[in-house]
Amino acid sequence: DGGITQSPKYLFRKEGQNVTLSCEQNLNHDAMYWYRQDPGQGLRLIYYSQIVNDFQKGDIAEGYSVSREKKESFPLTVTSAQKNPTAFYLCASSIVKGGHEQYFGPGTRLTVT
Amino acid sequence: QQQVKQSPQSLIVQKGGIPIINCAYENTAFDYFPWYQQFPGKGPALLIAIRPDVSEKKEGRFTISFNKSAKQFSLHIMDSQPGDSATYFCAAAGPQGGSEKLVFGKGTKLTVNP
Repeated sequence: DGGITQSPKYLFRKEGQNVTLSCEQNLNHDAMYWYRQDPGQGLRLIYYSQIVNDFQKGDIAEGYSVSREKKESFPLTVTSAQKNPTAFYLCASSIVKGGHEQYFGPGTRLTVT
Repeated sequence: QQQVKQSPQSLIVQKGGIPIINCAYENTAFDYFPWYQQFPGKGPALLIAIRPDVSEKKEGRFTISFNKSAKQFSLHIMDSQPGDSATYFCAAAGPQGGSEKLVFGKGTKLTVNP
């Protein structure tokens, strides 16, 4: 079954703690993306990566970090520097050349108190 | 120039009605315009997409109309059903320094009443 998996579905953390969200894909896609979704805000791009060991900041990268050590995996760390981390986080992937179709995972809802 | 403006924010129709969601963009370099459907607590799913060389694309009950000169595109849902109740996002993409980034509208929450 090809697709994108995100774990866990729900995550709770105390303020001041770093937390890492997992994203794995078996679609053999080159590019992977992290979005943040808040009510009424649409999807905002945090980071994206088009190739292993390379990634670029999106529109709201402050307080987040990523790594891309394997093609299949693109974990996102929400650091204590992120001022308002409670949100729904979505991972997506796509081929790079010749198309823009992005396929999304089921999301992780992070609550920081 | 990178924005995509989507309207309305919310929409309520009766079963069988034809909801229409509109999007406008500024960047004339955009060459791909998808629509995504998202149910509560789920990730968005690609519904239908269009490129600027056609003015209309239909897939089942979903139709995209595209007006290149006005820089607008819209989603029509024919014979809408309660199961179509979801949030719909338009998006746009184009050559952006070699990346494949999508720019999303802020979404339209559609409710189809039985």
